[in-house]
Amino acid sequence: GAVVSQHPSRVICKSGTSVKIECRSLDFQATTMFWYRQFPKQSLMLMATSNEGSKATYEQGVEKDKFLINHASLTLSTLTVTSAHPEDSSFYICSARDFRSNQPQHFGDGTRLSIL
Amino acid sequence: GDSVTQMEGPVTLSEEAFLTINCTYTATGYPSLFWYVQYPGEGLQLLLKATKADDKGSNKGFEATYRKETTSFHLEKGSVQVSDSAVYFCALSEREYGNKLVFGAGTILRVKS
Repeated sequence: GAVVSQHPSRVICKSGTSVKIECRSLDFQATTMFWYRQFPKQSLMLMATSNEGSKATYEQGVEKDKFLINHASLTLSTLTVTSAHPEDSSFYICSARDFRSNQPQHFGDGTRLSIL
Repeated sequence: GDSVTQMEGPVTLSEEAFLTINCTYTATGYPSLFWYVQYPGEGLQLLLKATKADDKGSNKGFEATYRKETTSFHLEKGSVQVSDSAVYFCALSEREYGNKLVFGAGTILRVKS
């Protein structure tokens, strides 16, 4: 079936550094990709929606200068957490779908980000 | 705004027990409803869905019925297995595969042999 690969699965870094997370669709063209954030024991919260070749649409309250999203091809989207701080520590999950097909979103395995 | 409320876990059951995980929602209009499952170390997978009132979604022995009058979409399985141990998320979207999914907090299910 359709697979979405997310990398890295876990990252630990110092405060102030920038971290890039990749999300790839492996056997379908992802016209639309989604980035979610999940805090412990809380829901997945949609951060932004990106369509290939255009700027991402951010949800209310999400800082677009902090969370840079690029969706330059039909198989790859990246989320860069810029100048990360401990409060950015969280579980980030991407999903992808081809809006031309009547198929649901396919999710990656998530990235555990820990900022020291 | 739209929201989904799930029963808190963890839910711990013995093998072959009956499972119910409650889910209620608040939404304007007529949302589509979903259950997703996340097995340890894996991403979320769509388990089942229902797109209109009284629809019943089913898959792998799991069932859930879209109840508009009670705004509920409870997940049930008649006889759970150890392999069903996972985190279960209830979610809704404005349309069947609309862009924005609103998730519940997730319910951990542990099944003991």
